[in-house]
Amino acid sequence: KAGVTQTPRYLIKTRGQQVTLSCSPISGHRSVSWYQQTPGQGLQFLFEYFSETQRNKGNFPGRFSGRQFSNSRSEMNVSTLELGDSALYLCASSIGVGLQETQYFGPGTRLLVL
Amino acid sequence: AQKVTQAQTEISVVEKEDVTLDCVYETRDTTYYLFWYKQPPSGELVFLIRRNSFDEQNEISGRYSWNFQKSTSSFNFTITASQVVDSAVYFCALRGLSYDKVIFGPGTSLSVIP
Repeated sequence: KAGVTQTPRYLIKTRGQQVTLSCSPISGHRSVSWYQQTPGQGLQFLFEYFSETQRNKGNFPGRFSGRQFSNSRSEMNVSTLELGDSALYLCASSIGVGLQETQYFGPGTRLLVL
Repeated sequence: AQKVTQAQTEISVVEKEDVTLDCVYETRDTTYYLFWYKQPPSGELVFLIRRNSFDEQNEISGRYSWNFQKSTSSFNFTITASQVVDSAVYFCALRGLSYDKVIFGPGTSLSVIP
């Protein structure tokens, strides 16, 4: 079974631009979560989607948004990029959204904002 | 509030030594789940184990073992006879009923020296 895939793997943008990252979950998984990982803040939860609906959102500004499609694939968008947005963005999928659900992670997208 | 603490920022051991990674958590929930993930240099988080708050049995999987103690709010991870391939950052995580988001600890970077 294929794992979680994320595209692109690497991205370089300049301040003020916007970026869209894509995540394809494991087949049969309907929940997708996004995390930002930086050396200073560690792993921080961005949002979680299930059946095309956002269930949870972390403490990030409105420049960070996401969506999920009917095939469970998800995208996240960051508008008006800032230097501090440089990070590894990780996507995780799970079958459902219960507490017991194990999240399986993709390889991440490394975003560098210049 | 929910919180995960991994007091050991970096650990270095010689190959074949045993090593224990500490994880202490805080939650007011009575129902919660704890997780351990491994992040090798490639960046992808690899799921290792999940434990629910009602199951305090210790678990062993090959060279890996976990000790869950609710009395001290700890969920420690031991690697026996460490190998170079164990070198990675290890994250402990918590998800509770009231908060319903996965909270990650800051991670422990383990270096196994040949």
